[in-house]
Amino acid sequence: DTEVTQTPKHLVMGMTNKKSLKCEQHMGHRAMYWYKQKAKKPPELMFVYSYEKLSINESVPSRFSPECPNSSLLNLHLHALQPEDSALYLCASSQVYRGNYGYTFGSGTRLTVV
Amino acid sequence: AQKVTQAQTEISVVEKEDVTLDCVYETRDTTYYLFWYKQPPSGELVFLIRRNSFDEQNEISGRYSWNFQKSTSSFNFTITASQVVDSAVYFCALSGMDSNYQLIWGAGTKLIIKP
Repeated sequence: DTEVTQTPKHLVMGMTNKKSLKCEQHMGHRAMYWYKQKAKKPPELMFVYSYEKLSINESVPSRFSPECPNSSLLNLHLHALQPEDSALYLCASSQVYRGNYGYTFGSGTRLTVV
Repeated sequence: AQKVTQAQTEISVVEKEDVTLDCVYETRDTTYYLFWYKQPPSGELVFLIRRNSFDEQNEISGRYSWNFQKSTSSFNFTITASQVVDSAVYFCALSGMDSNYQLIWGAGTKLIIKP
């Protein structure tokens, strides 16, 4: 199983809603990542989890709250988002953090905030 | 500081033509890794290749080939006999100690293959 699975694929939410994005991998990878990608731009790193612990938070607003319940799952909890948060949210994993191994990406969640 | 430049914003060719996507990088690291990813309209980033700085051998995988030249700090990607399914945005990326092993991305090149 060499996949990273993200759900949902599409999400429309109001600015007062609370929603969660989910990411799952069963490759035994111990590093997992959240990226945000705006149209026609490369991905921007948001969070890094290494061995289920948060290693990097790239100054992301607190309305985005990551969670890593176990080594296979990564969640991104969303609350009180702004329209400018509309983007493609990508999850990725790698064997280890800082290992310079290839990153496996999911197909992303297209988020629209209305 | 590390930087990746993909100067070609968009390339359009007719099917079966060969096409080369350019990637130029800057780094102070002596050990670093270079990547190419493909992003079709569906959104998924598909890993194509990872190359470490000590391996300058060119790589060929089917219709895809990569030319790594440290002397010019370039890692170019060529698609031979392009097909419509090759249409996507292609990103070149760099990773090394200088970036705390985070991926430094180029801006991407949008490749359009016309039938």
